[in-house]
Amino acid sequence: EPEVTQTPSHQVTQMGQEVILRCVPISNHLYFYWYRQILGQKVEFLVSFYNNEISEKSEIFDDQFSVERPDGSNFTLKIRSTKLEDSAMYFCASSGENRGPVGEQFFGPGTRLTVL
Amino acid sequence: AQSVAQPEDQVNVAEGNPLTVKCTYSVSGNPYLFWYVQYPNRGLQFLLKYITGDNLVKGSYGFEAEFNKSQTSFHLKKPSALVSDSALYFCAVRDRGSSASKIIFGSGTRLSIRP
Repeated sequence: EPEVTQTPSHQVTQMGQEVILRCVPISNHLYFYWYRQILGQKVEFLVSFYNNEISEKSEIFDDQFSVERPDGSNFTLKIRSTKLEDSAMYFCASSGENRGPVGEQFFGPGTRLTVL
Repeated sequence: AQSVAQPEDQVNVAEGNPLTVKCTYSVSGNPYLFWYVQYPNRGLQFLLKYITGDNLVKGSYGFEAEFNKSQTSFHLKKPSALVSDSALYFCAVRDRGSSASKIIFGSGTRLSIRP
């Protein structure tokens, strides 16, 4: 069964460095999302993306964050200058009308980002 | 503001007993409702959803959830718990209005099933 994949599974970086988290959504899905989960806390929405533009973003998603769908298959989250508080598990998700009823988002396994 | 409440941080149940994980929500309109499960060091796995129709929804691994509109609740249930059900469970809602709408998650309930 098709699934969302994410790379890398674990990323360690120094504070102030740029990181790019990569996701391959389910083929033919139309809507793409990033969420994050700080250790021990709940899953929080970051951004949604449709038709090559951001549909909605949370207050967490400030100017340090950006998303891109560079080649029609990958969906990336970039953090320009990482901070300690960016350490979290980042989940990518996708959804689409042509795969079951609208509303069900399929999540990837996550990338654990550790900022030192 | 939309919100999801899971009042119990942890639920402990003996194997073979029924389990309930509680969830209430506060959103406008008639949202989609979901349960997701997270096993240690794993991503979020979809369990079940309520879209419309029958208030009792059946999902994966023998789980079911009951939608109660008057109480704005969507409690997760299973008639007979297994040790392998031990995991972190998240209730979630999503607005019907937009196909790109975000999912709002509850804080999670850790389910522990003892042998």
